[in-house]
Amino acid sequence: KAGVTQTPRYLIKTRGQQVTLSCSPISGHRSVSWYQQTPGQGLQFLFEYFSETQRNKGNFPGRFSGRQFSNSRSEMNVSTLELGDSALYLCASSPPDNEQFFGPGTRLTVL
Amino acid sequence: EDQVTQSPEALRLQEGESSSLNCSYTVSGLRGLFWYRQDPGKGPEFLFTLYSAGEEKEKERLKATLTKKESFLHITAPKPEDSATYLCAVRSGGTDKLIFGTGTRLQVFP
Repeated sequence: KAGVTQTPRYLIKTRGQQVTLSCSPISGHRSVSWYQQTPGQGLQFLFEYFSETQRNKGNFPGRFSGRQFSNSRSEMNVSTLELGDSALYLCASSPPDNEQFFGPGTRLTVL
Repeated sequence: EDQVTQSPEALRLQEGESSSLNCSYTVSGLRGLFWYRQDPGKGPEFLFTLYSAGEEKEKERLKATLTKKESFLHITAPKPEDSATYLCAVRSGGTDKLIFGTGTRLQVFP
């Protein structure tokens, strides 16, 4: 089975721009979660989608948003980028039980 | 407040020198404790899920155990390829969120 894929793998943006990241879950997984990972804060939960509905949300500003499509693929968008948004953005998909399987991440650098 | 604390932050071991990593947690209604391994520049790789106190899981040189307040990841006779950051996470029954610790960075020297 193919794993979770994320595109692009690397991205460089400037402050004030917006960015869209994409995630394709493992086939058959309907739940997709997004995380931000930084050296100082570790893995921080952004949001979770299940069957095209946001099921849970972390404590991030409204500049961070996401959506899920009918084929379970998901996108997250960050508007008005700030320097502090530089991070590794990880997507994880889940089967009906609990374990989450992570993709390789998108490394976002904001200049 | 749900919280996960891992210790030590970093651990250096000689090849073959067994040790344990600790994950202590406070959570409203544990719905699973998870261990992951993360190599630099990569996403976390799933290792184990534990659900109830007394449960143990093993995989090669790794063994995970769970009590009501903490989990241990025991590494027996580690090899250099076991070098990685090991992450612990709990799923809270109250918020249904997966909460991660900041990890233990393990280095195994030949």
